[in-house]
Amino acid sequence: DAKTTQPPSMDCAEGRAANLPCNHSTISGNEYVYWYRQIHSQGPQYIIHGLKNNETNEMASLIITEDRKSSTLILPHATLRDTAVYYCIVRVNTNAGKSTFGDGTTLTVKP
Amino acid sequence: NAGVTQTPKFQVLKTGQSMTLQCAQDMNHNSMYWYRQDPGMGLRLIYYSASEGTTDKGEVPNGYNVSRLNKREFSLRLESAAPSQTSVYFCASSPRPIQETQYFGPGTRLLVL
Repeated sequence: DAKTTQPPSMDCAEGRAANLPCNHSTISGNEYVYWYRQIHSQGPQYIIHGLKNNETNEMASLIITEDRKSSTLILPHATLRDTAVYYCIVRVNTNAGKSTFGDGTTLTVKP
Repeated sequence: NAGVTQTPKFQVLKTGQSMTLQCAQDMNHNSMYWYRQDPGMGLRLIYYSASEGTTDKGEVPNGYNVSRLNKREFSLRLESAAPSQTSVYFCASSPRPIQETQYFGPGTRLLVL
């Protein structure tokens, strides 16, 4: 599985867009990019995933570069409730048996 | 639709005691997983069950056993608890076999003295 690199922490002003980067320079052609988040003491929550096209859902947008070596999760209008640890995972879609979440990025949304 | 439920929410054990953590999902998902999360760290996979009747080791299986009782339920057993097993345990499920899109329970906080 491709390894991912995320900044350990980021701040964002409430109401602004939060852009969380993830580097995955060794990603393979059949590996997806997944994003989860974990709000303090709760179980992780699935956010979004993609292969090579940009994706959008009710929670966030995922922008994957053309060479697929990096991606950005965008929370368009961050709220205080978006304060959480965000995990970027790169994996073949049917290989969750290898699932291990790294350290992630701690996003703090400030008023 | 409760999603993924876990019991108990919190447990204190003495070294050497045994216990079983229960997990159930009502989403008709095929695959289920057990993770542990140590303070300030990410999640590590202990065991998973790709489908009813099968179980496989994850990254950190030592000291644990699992049972996929039926499609809904997946239990994690500590036969002889050790202080190193103090952690928060999360159960998860996914719609298709070993698919990465997983839905997590609220966790069980275990303290081993």
